[in-house]
Amino acid sequence: GENVEQHPSTLSVQEGDSAVIKCTYSDSASNYFPWYKQELGKGPQLIIDIRSNVGEKKDQRIAVTLNKTAKHFSLHITETQPEDSAVYFCAASLRGSQGNLIFGKGTKLSVKP
Amino acid sequence: NAGVTQTPKFQVLKTGQSMTLQCAQDMNHNSMYWYRQDPGMGLRLIYYSASEGTTDKGEVPNGYNVSRLNKREFSLRLESAAPSQTSVYFCASTKERGTAKNIQYFGAGTRLSVL
Repeated sequence: GENVEQHPSTLSVQEGDSAVIKCTYSDSASNYFPWYKQELGKGPQLIIDIRSNVGEKKDQRIAVTLNKTAKHFSLHITETQPEDSAVYFCAASLRGSQGNLIFGKGTKLSVKP
Repeated sequence: NAGVTQTPKFQVLKTGQSMTLQCAQDMNHNSMYWYRQDPGMGLRLIYYSASEGTTDKGEVPNGYNVSRLNKREFSLRLESAAPSQTSVYFCASTKERGTAKNIQYFGAGTRLSVL
């Protein structure tokens, strides 16, 4: 079945710097790749997603890139702020399994003021 | 706008006790899910319900049962709790499972400790 690897597990940056989180997936049939942000004590919340027919998508300070050939996708956060501190999860959705998401193990991002 | 509501928020059980975690969504979504979250393990799917009246096993179903009571409600039951079931449990829902855009909306979680 599908497997999603996420790196790094922890990431610490200074406020204003950029942060990059990378994920790889194993099944080339996956076609939907969302990113979720989980703040302390809360459930995960979708922040951005990308489909397999698109190489890059941006939403203000957040961007996601997808390389289908290499089977990896990345989350880029620019001009980081303390409120970006959270755990971030990538996921992949396999059309053949009718849409169940397979999650990476998460990255704890800390933005230091 | 409540979204996905989980009850209780916290629970402590003794080994062997049973309990039911409740989940309800008010977004008229068809599909609902139960995940568990353990440190360093991410989110693992326990059971899901693609539509009202159907349920299927996920990655880690052993020790759990589910009921899709109606379109709004999806409950998770631990018949005989074990310390290995100490975890944070999340319920999620999505409008149409199997489409190219499968946004899942999560509840705030239930923190369960089994002693």
